Amino acid sequence: DTEVTQTPKHLVMGMTNKKSLKCEQHMGHRAMYWYKQKAKKPPELMFVYSYEKLSINESVPSRFSPECPNSSLLNLHLHALQPEDSALYLCASSQDGYTEAFFGQGTRLTVV
Amino acid sequence: QKEVEQNSGPLSVPEGAIASLNCTYSDRGSQSFFWYRQYSGKSPELIMSIYSNGDKEDGRFTAQLNKASQYVSLLIRDSQPSDSATYLCAVNKRGYQKVTFGTGTKLQVIP
Repeated sequence: DTEVTQTPKHLVMGMTNKKSLKCEQHMGHRAMYWYKQKAKKPPELMFVYSYEKLSINESVPSRFSPECPNSSLLNLHLHALQPEDSALYLCASSQDGYTEAFFGQGTRLTVV
Repeated sequence: QKEVEQNSGPLSVPEGAIASLNCTYSDRGSQSFFWYRQYSGKSPELIMSIYSNGDKEDGRFTAQLNKASQYVSLLIRDSQPSDSATYLCAVNKRGYQKVTFGTGTKLQVIP
């Protein structure tokens, strides 16, 4: 089973709201990722967690705050977002960070 | 020079033909190569992964890797309209847990 589950599928939030995106995998993968994808662009890496520790932060603004509570879960906490942050947010996991990554279905985020 | 380059297309092929998608990369330290398919509004789906020089076949798909030429390709045999999507080439550098994506090639299979 190569399933990564993301919730919610769609999210509309105001610029003063706080919300969280959730991601779960039960494949025993030890690397988990957050990507952001704008229309007609490739996925853009935001964060990598390896063995539950943040290993890569691609200079993402602090209004995005990742959290990895355990090896199966990954959260992305959102606060004071801007309309330009509206995008498809993708979670992915891979066995060790060097092999193939499997993506969740994404969360379509709209900031109003 | 971009790290991973793909022709954006669209690449149009008739149903039943072979579609050939190409990708070049700039870092000779790259060690892992992936092809993803992405339908409009959906998330990327892994099609193939390849780690060593040569060909790797899986059903109608063949990935080809040439590290000397820094070139990776994906062949789709007997193309079907359902293959119409954007194909993303992705590359991982040795010792670095970051996958870099190309901009994708849009494939259109004409019935």
